[in-house]
Amino acid sequence: EVQLVESGGGLVPPGGSLRLSCAASGFSLSIYWMHWVRQAPGEGLVWVSRISSDGRSTSYADSVKGRFTISRDNAKNTLYLQMNSLRAEDTAIYYCARDPDIGGWSSFENWGQGTLVTVSS
Amino acid sequence: DIQMTQSPSSLSASVGDRVTITCRASQNIRTHLNWYQQKPGQAPKVLIYAASSLQSGVPSRFSGSGSGTDFTLTISSPQPEDFATYYCQQSYKTPYTFGQGTKLEIK
Repeated sequence: EVQLVESGGGLVPPGGSLRLSCAASGFSLSIYWMHWVRQAPGEGLVWVSRISSDGRSTSYADSVKGRFTISRDNAKNTLYLQMNSLRAEDTAIYYCARDPDIGGWSSFENWGQGTLVTVSS
Repeated sequence: DIQMTQSPSSLSASVGDRVTITCRASQNIRTHLNWYQQKPGQAPKVLIYAASSLQSGVPSRFSGSGSGTDFTLTISSPQPEDFATYYCQQSYKTPYTFGQGTKLEIK
């Protein structure tokens, strides 16, 4: 069974840092592109970042570019999101998602349960 | 960035009514359009990918259509478990963007 389990969320003051992890099981992470998507309380879904299967290609939303870094350790079957210079507007549930990339068509096929990041003093 | 506009923002329907949600992209995205369902306290779930392909395990009462800039999600006969929030999302190019969501409520 495909499972994605996020961890690392919590309460952090403005300007602080957090590293989120997404542990994959039931499949080999190494052949999938992966994403982070976030959702502020009571709000809609916002794509944050994407990483290629080999980790060589990354993309970011403008709102996090230069502050967040996506990475992966395929040997550990784990995806990461390093978040620096956090702002109140980064408060959200952060989901990792697997991209099946079927014939060039991308989607978020499997999702974790999410981890809550709260940026507040 | 590609803007995705869903309508309506909310919708009341009875069990068994036919429901249609529309999504418009600010530029041509061919068929790089996905639909998700989200229930309170849960992660989203993909229903439709590539505009009209039904995700494995999703009931056939869900269908998607469209290409270019205009897309629709149809629920032919909504069941009680279908009352949730629905999002469209373009995967044509990054930054990938979502519609603002459509909340489907029971009338």
